[in-house]
Amino acid sequence: EAGVTQFPSHSVIEKGQTVTLRCDPISGHDNLYWYRRVMGKEIKFLLHFVKESKQDESGMPNNRFLAERTGGTYSTLKVQPAELEDSGVYFCASSLGTEGQFFGPGTRLTVL
Amino acid sequence: QKEVEQDPGPLSVPEGAIVSLNCTYSNSAFQYFMWYRQYSRKGPELLMYTYSSGNKEDGRFTAQVDKSSKYISLFIRDSQPSDSATYLCAARGGYSSASKIIFGSGTRLSIRP
Repeated sequence: EAGVTQFPSHSVIEKGQTVTLRCDPISGHDNLYWYRRVMGKEIKFLLHFVKESKQDESGMPNNRFLAERTGGTYSTLKVQPAELEDSGVYFCASSLGTEGQFFGPGTRLTVL
Repeated sequence: QKEVEQDPGPLSVPEGAIVSLNCTYSNSAFQYFMWYRQYSRKGPELLMYTYSSGNKEDGRFTAQVDKSSKYISLFIRDSQPSDSATYLCAARGGYSSASKIIFGSGTRLSIRP
């Protein structure tokens, strides 16, 4: 069974540019999550999808971040315009429900 | 105050030793507790998943939760160099079937051959 995949693995952009991260969850997992780890801090929750609906987006930092999950399959996280403080590692996770969440390898974002 | 507190280490022990990793938490609503292992430049890998208080064993790993003291532990027996990684404790509430995870900052563990 394939795990959670994320693309790209690395992205280096300049301040003010737009970046779109993609996550493909484990097949059949209705729950999809985005998390972020910025330098020196713990991994923090951004938002949670159940199928195509946003269940909880309380962790989204501001309106420069837009997450979508079309058709309840893969998800994208767009940052527009990117700021220096957006640099970090963005993780996607998925789960069926009550068991643990399974994480992808992450996308390392560097904003210059 | 962070909801999940974890000593960042680093912790270095000789191969074969028993490792004890610990966390505390402050939110009484937490019902599910997890340990993740993360190798450098990789995503967190789910190691142990427990509900409420008690012990859970899986091979060389034992997870322990004491809700009365809000204490989470992970024990690794017969530690191996391949166990060298960052270990993240985590917790989430039980009010929703799939709620967000709150992570500790992680403890960096090194097993010396």
